[in-house]
Amino acid sequence: TQLLEQSPQFLSIQEGENLTVYCNSSSVFSSLQWYRQEPGEGPVLLVTVVTGGEVKKLKRLTFQFGDARKDSSLHITAAQTGDTGLYLCAGADDYKLSFGAGTTVTVRA
Amino acid sequence: EAQVTQNPRYLITVTGKKLTVTCSQNMNHEYMSWYRQDPGLGLRQIYYSMNVEVTDKGDVPEGYKVSRKEKRNFPLILESPSPNQTSLYFCASSFRLLREQFFGPGTRLTVL
Repeated sequence: TQLLEQSPQFLSIQEGENLTVYCNSSSVFSSLQWYRQEPGEGPVLLVTVVTGGEVKKLKRLTFQFGDARKDSSLHITAAQTGDTGLYLCAGADDYKLSFGAGTTVTVRA
Repeated sequence: EAQVTQNPRYLITVTGKKLTVTCSQNMNHEYMSWYRQDPGLGLRQIYYSMNVEVTDKGDVPEGYKVSRKEKRNFPLILESPSPNQTSLYFCASSFRLLREQFFGPGTRLTVL
């Protein structure tokens, strides 16, 4: 059983559309990280959210940490083909970083 | 260039033949870890190291060994590989525990 559940597992959209990826858990985390992984490469950090209710923006990407610090979402506005990849969330708790299974996002031209 | 390197990138071996996957980082990071990535299961931590000579088990340590004799290197050892260890392996390092993880490019291992 995954500590962090990501949904949906797969997402395919047309360029220009918006999308949201969810990361949910029953556990409270001290912080939550979002990574993007492209084929043949390791994950690369996009953002870290620390405070409950925090919202961070990275160009067209908006990240939100739930008030209770158990869940997070990633919203992409006007998706581009370069946004294609595997999006992973990771929750930090004590001495451990736990990853979700990921959401594979495909943006079609 | 700041990076984490892994070797080899691809490896096909047979059951029971001992192998080592090397990992090296040039960022003077204290914390290093190994993960395996399997479809539908995400990244699962195998072992981690808080500093030189300090290692501990992650979520799926069975069948693996590690060592941390130097700060920059953290090799993963499979003493007797089995087919269920076929996976994509990532080494990662970070300045401190729970900070941004810098991942290597991955090692795709197939055990026949």
